[in-house]
Amino acid sequence: AQKITQTQPGMFVQEKEAVTLDCTYDTSDQSYGLFWYKQPSSGEMIFLIYQGSYDEQNATEGRYSLNFQKARKSANLVISASQLGDSAMYFCAMREGTGNQFYFGTGTSLTVIP
Amino acid sequence: NAGVTQTPKFQVLKTGQSMTLQCAQDMNHEYMSWYRQDPGMGLRLIHYSVGAGITDQGEVPNGYNVSRSTTEDFPLRLLSAAPSQTSVYFCASSYFGPGHSVGTQYFGPGTRLLVL
Repeated sequence: AQKITQTQPGMFVQEKEAVTLDCTYDTSDQSYGLFWYKQPSSGEMIFLIYQGSYDEQNATEGRYSLNFQKARKSANLVISASQLGDSAMYFCAMREGTGNQFYFGTGTSLTVIP
Repeated sequence: NAGVTQTPKFQVLKTGQSMTLQCAQDMNHEYMSWYRQDPGMGLRLIHYSVGAGITDQGEVPNGYNVSRSTTEDFPLRLLSAAPSQTSVYFCASSYFGPGHSVGTQYFGPGTRLLVL
């Protein structure tokens, strides 16, 4: 079974609008971490935001927020006020408990339309 | 800090050739890892290390070797290159110490490998 599932291969959003990128995860651990990374066309992987499984509040970093729904095992990334520079691939990832392996989803390609 | 550096940026190999992809970090991170990225498949873990002298296999280790003689360096060796190893390779590092269980990974710029 896939540890991380991203069901949206591609998304479009109008500039200045908000967009939600979906991520569901599969783990039986009680302690785990969830991450989102951005990969622009230049290829580098940029860390955006982290959510711990015991964090009671949803994580926020500037225009990025993580909508964490533990019972549904979902960790959706919300980008507010989209900018042209937000056009990129976005990857959701998970680290289980104190394990040493990270699992990545297949990514969502976001295109921001002027 | 340079962060995580990788060399070379691009490499072309012939089937059967061997080579080493270099990775170095200057953040004193214990954890280092290698991923390959293929279209439509996200990033898949090849090997990882939790400290000097300690390595372990990830999801797709076949055809690759690693060693970790220092905290800073984590080279990836392709023993006998195959066309199926054509991919983009990323090295990453993170700190897993007490109070840092977040373990956020920081990535190098990647190496594009083409095996003919």
